[in-house]
Amino acid sequence: QKEVEQNSGPLSVPEGAIASLNCTYSDRGSQSFFWYRQYSGKSPELIMFIYSNGDKEDGRFTAQLNKASQYVSLLIRDSQPSDSATYLCAVKPHGGSQGNLIFGKGTKLSVKP
Amino acid sequence: ETGVTQSPTHLIKTRGQQVTLRCSSQSGHNTVSWYQQALGQGPQFIFQYYREEENGRGNFPPRFSGLQFPNYSSELNVNALELDDSALYLCASSSPGGIKENTIYFGEGSWLTVV
Repeated sequence: QKEVEQNSGPLSVPEGAIASLNCTYSDRGSQSFFWYRQYSGKSPELIMFIYSNGDKEDGRFTAQLNKASQYVSLLIRDSQPSDSATYLCAVKPHGGSQGNLIFGKGTKLSVKP
Repeated sequence: ETGVTQSPTHLIKTRGQQVTLRCSSQSGHNTVSWYQQALGQGPQFIFQYYREEENGRGNFPPRFSGLQFPNYSSELNVNALELDDSALYLCASSSPGGIKENTIYFGEGSWLTVV
C-alpha cells in the first residue's frame, strides 16, 4: 500500500514566523512531489511541485526534497494569517497514470496575528 | 482560477439514487482525473481519462464510472449511492507531456450529500 503521511496538526505559528510542514512517503520509486493548499470549503490549489533532490524556492515558499529519506517539506517564510489553511502533500507513485497522485490527509496550519 | 469548471456545485441525493457530475477541463488539457475527498481526508484518486478511454483507476467499485468526450470534458457517474459517498468530488486536468505533465489542477468541486 503506497502511502503519504503528514502530521494532521493543527500547527500554530505567530505571524511573521516560519512555518514548517513535513511529509513522508512510502513508494521509493516516486518521482514527482506536490504541495497543495486548501482553504476550508474550497478545492485544493497547487502551490509548488518538486522533482529533484534539494530545495526549490518560489516567493515565500520553499519545498525541500530528500529522496533517500523519502521526505518532503514545505517552508513558509514570513507567515501571514492568510496562509491559514490545510496543506496537502501529494506524490506521484512509480508507474501511476498521469493524473494519479497519492495525497496525505493534510496538515492544518493556523497563523496567529 | 484553474480553468477547470465543475457542475453542479452542491447537490443532495437519496441513498440508492444515481448521480452525474460534470467537468470541463482547462484549455489544452486532454487528461482528466476524478478524486473523492471525504471530510478530514486527502483527495483519493477515482480514475483518469485520456483520449476518451479510462487509463487508470483507484480502489473504487464499478458503480463509479465515467466518460470523456471529444472536447475533453468529462462526467463522473455514481450508481446506487451510499451514505459514505457523501464527499467533495474533484475534477482535475493536466497538460500533455513535458515536465508539467504530472501537475494537476483542480476545479472547484461538487459537494455531494447522500441522505
